[in-house]
Amino acid sequence: AQTVTQSQPEMSVQEAETVTLSCTYDTSENNYYLFWYKQPPSRQMILVIRQEAYKQQNATENRFSVNFQKAAKSFSLKISDSQLGDTAMYFCAFRRGAQKLVFGQGTRLTINP
Amino acid sequence: DSGVTQTPKHLITATGQRVTLRCSPRSGDLSVYWYQQSLDQGLQFLIQYYNGEERAKGNILERFSAQQFPDLHSELNLSSLELGDSALYFCASSVRTSGGSETQYFGPGTRLLVL
Repeated sequence: AQTVTQSQPEMSVQEAETVTLSCTYDTSENNYYLFWYKQPPSRQMILVIRQEAYKQQNATENRFSVNFQKAAKSFSLKISDSQLGDTAMYFCAFRRGAQKLVFGQGTRLTINP
Repeated sequence: DSGVTQTPKHLITATGQRVTLRCSPRSGDLSVYWYQQSLDQGLQFLIQYYNGEERAKGNILERFSAQQFPDLHSELNLSSLELGDSALYFCASSVRTSGGSETQYFGPGTRLLVL
């Protein structure tokens, strides 16, 4: 079974700083997808970024980028120029094909003014 | 707004009762997934439907059941409720991207409190 581990339960940075959230996963599959979801205080689950395992290029969405290391089974999220609105729980998730998402336990990120 | 709707937003009920949670997927999405988010278990997959058929089951209790109707909306039925069933229940629907993969978009969730 696949597992996803987020080793940082909480992080806190100052506004405009860059922050990196860590995620590791365990799978014997070669083709899969990785995601970061954001859950703000409203509790809505919002897709931040996705990465296909067959793509070597790291995904980027505006201020959000990932560092995908397939051999190391590592998938970290970098948030540049952090903003107060980035304060949220961040969940790393794994999916194989069209199957369920397997989530990590989450990292609570606080952006301080 | 993800385009996935869930009703009701909040639900307060008593132990032993039965409730129904409803989900309408994004227009054109055929797959619906149900997840439970509780404080001690995190986000757990419950069940998946695709075009009316059950496709996969996760850690869903026997007291829970679901179905997907011909108009593709889905309902999650929770019966003989216990205090531990208090959680946030999410529905997600998936859309195929041009690469043939799927992205799951989540509804706002239903907060269930069992007293």
